[in-house]
This record gives sequence, C-alpha cells and structure tokens, in this order.
Amino acid sequence: EVQLVESGGGLVQPGGSLRLSCAASGFTFNTYWMSWVRQAPGRGLEWVANIRQDGSEQYYVDSVKGRFTISRDNAKNALYLQMSSLRVEDTAVYYCARIGRIYQYYMDVWGKGTTVSVSS
Amino acid sequence: EVVVTQSPATLSLSPGERATLSCRASRSVLSNVAWYQQKPGQAPRLLIYGASTRATGIPARFSGSGSGTEFTLTISSLQSEDFAVYYCQQYNNWPLTFGGGTKVEI
Repeated sequence: EVQLVESGGGLVQPGGSLRLSCAASGFTFNTYWMSWVRQAPGRGLEWVANIRQDGSEQYYVDSVKGRFTISRDNAKNALYLQMSSLRVEDTAVYYCARIGRIYQYYMDVWGKGTTVSVSS
Repeated sequence: EVVVTQSPATLSLSPGERATLSCRASRSVLSNVAWYQQKPGQAPRLLIYGASTRATGIPARFSGSGSGTEFTLTISSLQSEDFAVYYCQQYNNWPLTFGGGTKVEI
C-alpha cells in the first residue's frame, strides 16, 4: 500500500524552529518528486515546497523562502521540512504529498498531515 | 503568480443532482489543472489531472473539462459521499497555486 506518514508537528513560539518528517512506503521513493502543502485553520490549501527526485532542485512559495528548507533522504525513504523563524501565520496542518508524474506537479498521494501551531 | 479563482464558493444541491464547479486561471495554464476533494478532518484526494483525466479509482460520475484559463469539474449525479470541498490547482507555473475551494453542501 502506498503510504505517507508525517510527524514532527507541535507547538512552537514565534521565531522558533521545527523539523517535519514524512515517511514514505509502498512505492519507489527515489523516482518521484515530493511536495509539502499546508492548510491554515479553516482555510484553503497552500503549496509550500517541492523537491526533485535526487534533491538537486527545490522550489518554494515566496512566503517561506529563506526560512524553510525541503530535503530528502532516499536511503531512508524520508522527506523533511526544516522550518525556522516561524511566524504565527505558519500555523497550519502540513501535508506531505507525492508528485504524480515527472514535471506534472499535481499531488496524487497525500499523507494525513501533521499540525504546527506557532503561538506565544 | 497565477491566481486561481473558484466559483461558486458554496453550492447547495440535493443527492442525484448535477454539480458544476468552475475554476478560472488569471492566465493560460494550458491543461495543467488538477482537482481535489477534501472532507472534514481528512487529507485532500486527487480526482482529476491534466484537466480531464480521472485519477485511479475515481468514479465515472466525476469529469473535468477545459483548457487555457477556464476549467470545469462536473459531478453528474451527486452521491451522499460527494458532499465535500473541492479545490482546483494549476501546475503550469511556479508557484503552484490552488483556488479557494467550492463547498458542495446538501
């Protein structure tokens, strides 16, 4: 079964840091682009970042550039999102998602999400 | 940035009725549009990609159409499990962007 399981969410103060992880199983992880998408409480979906199969390319939404870093460890079938200088507006459920096809950046498999709350 | 606008924000329909959801992009995104369904407390689920291709396991009552800037998701006959929020997404340009969603309610 194809599965993505996020972890690492929690409560953090503004200006703090957090590292999210996503464990992938049931598919050949190193052949897929991967993505993080977030959803603030009661709001819609917002794409955060993408990473190429070998980690050589990353793309970010402007609001997180310079603060968030997407990375992956293909030996561990794991995707990460390092978040620093967190702001209240980063509060959201963060989803890990698989990109459906090379250079076709729709998300065909989603994890259940992990919740990040930024508050003092 | 390509702005994606969905309408209406809410669609109130009865089981068995036809639902027509619209998605408009601020400039051409060719056919690089996907549609997702999200139920409360759940992750989104891919319904349609390439504007009109159903994802694996998606029932035939879901269909997508359009190209360029105007796209439509049609649910031919609403089932009880179809009442949810639907999002469209363009993936032709960075940053990837989603519409604000259409809630289909009973």
